[in-house]
Amino acid sequence: NAGVTQTPKFRILKIGQSMTLQCTQDMNHNYMYWYRQDPGMGLKLIYYSVGAGITDKGEVPNGYNVSRSTTEDFPLRLELAAPSQTSVYFCASSYVLPSEWGDTSNQPQHFGDGTRLSIL
Amino acid sequence: GQNIDQPTEMTATEGAIVQINCTYQTSGFNGLFWYQQHAGEAPTFLSYNVLDGLEEKGRFSSFLSRSKGYSYLLLKELQMKDSASYLCAVFYGGATNKLIFGTGTLLAVQP
Repeated sequence: NAGVTQTPKFRILKIGQSMTLQCTQDMNHNYMYWYRQDPGMGLKLIYYSVGAGITDKGEVPNGYNVSRSTTEDFPLRLELAAPSQTSVYFCASSYVLPSEWGDTSNQPQHFGDGTRLSIL
Repeated sequence: GQNIDQPTEMTATEGAIVQINCTYQTSGFNGLFWYQQHAGEAPTFLSYNVLDGLEEKGRFSSFLSRSKGYSYLLLKELQMKDSASYLCAVFYGGATNKLIFGTGTLLAVQP
């Protein structure tokens, strides 16, 4: 299993450009999440999905859109890139079995390696 | 909202013990997670507390007190590789499985 795969790893955008950050997981997880992490800060939840066809806003959804047409994929779209969106973006997925989460070999949320996005 | 606060930075000596605190102003959550994040990498899971009390896993232990809105991560026998950010996160289960993260504590372990 590849786990959670994010592409691209790095990207530089100009103000006003649009792009899609890709996220795919091969663990058949129901739940998927998008976070952003600004330098020296914790993770902020942008959007999340509890299953194919269902998405909902997190803490900081403005300026972003998501879709979940399949279980595997959860792309994040920036329509009009702004300097404030310069950040590291993490995608994560999880499976609903709380009883398993005490086992460190079975992480509650599996994270991708992140996409480093700069908007100039 | 959920205010989840952690010290911004901490410094400790190799071989010592360090306690990283996390306070929160929220309720109705299922449990509290601690994650470790090395610079430039994704967070990795350390511990999960559902009930009040101490959970011990090797060199790392985590404590939760729901009545006091307080958790801490205890790291023993510090090693240089423990230099990282430590994130506490409140978990809301049910229909959403959401994690709301604190600001993170950057720990520097010195020789």
